[in-house]
Amino acid sequence: SQQGEEDPQALSIQEGENATMNCSYKTSINNLQWYRQNSGRGLVHLILIRSNEREKHSGRLRVTLDTSKKSSSLLITASRAADTASYFCATDGGATNKLIFGTGTLLAVQP
Amino acid sequence: DTEVTQTPKHLVMGMTNKKSLKCEQHMGHRAMYWYKQKAKKPPELMFVYSYEKLSINESVPSRFSPECPNSSLLNLHLHALQPEDSALYLCASSLKGYETQYFGPGTRLLVL
Repeated sequence: SQQGEEDPQALSIQEGENATMNCSYKTSINNLQWYRQNSGRGLVHLILIRSNEREKHSGRLRVTLDTSKKSSSLLITASRAADTASYFCATDGGATNKLIFGTGTLLAVQP
Repeated sequence: DTEVTQTPKHLVMGMTNKKSLKCEQHMGHRAMYWYKQKAKKPPELMFVYSYEKLSINESVPSRFSPECPNSSLLNLHLHALQPEDSALYLCASSLKGYETQYFGPGTRLLVL
C-alpha cells in the first residue's frame, strides 16, 4: 500500500496547548498537503508544501517537510476547542492526478 | 465560489435499488474525484475524471458507475450494492490533479 502513516493516531490536549502531528510517506512527491475533517463531514484543505520547501506557515499552522526522511509534521499552536477534528496528510506519490491520504490523527482539544 | 455541492446528504437504499449521487462545482476545475470513506479511516480514491474523461478507476466494482456529463457535474450511479458499501461518499475537484482538492460535504449512504 502507498498509504502514509500518521502518528499519533489520537491526541488529546487542553485549549491553549500546541498540537503536533507527524506524517510519514513512502514514495517521491511533488507536494504534501494537510486536510482537516470535522466529524462525518467533508475535508477542508489546510496547507500545501512543495517538495522543494522545508517549512511553511499559515496562521496558527506550521508545516515542515523532510524529503530525505519522507516525513512531515503539522504544528497547531494555541489550540482551540474548534480545532477538534481528524487531520490527514496527503501526498501525490509523484503522480499527476491523485492524492494518497495518510491514516489520520484524531485531535481532541478540551476546553 | 469555492464550493463543491453534493446531493443527497443522506441515502438509504436496498440491495436491489438503483440510485445516483450527484456532485457539482463551478470553479472551472477540470479534475473531479469520487472517494469512499469508512468510519475512522482515510478517504479511499475510487475514480478520477480529467477533462471529463475517466482517467483512474481504482479497481472499483462495476456496481459503482461514474459519469461526467460536463465539466461541472459528476455523478455516481449505484446498483445492486452490498451492505459493506455503506460509507461516506465524498466528491472533490481540483485545478490540477496534485494540487489542492476542494471537497463536498459528502453523501452518507446506508445499504440495507
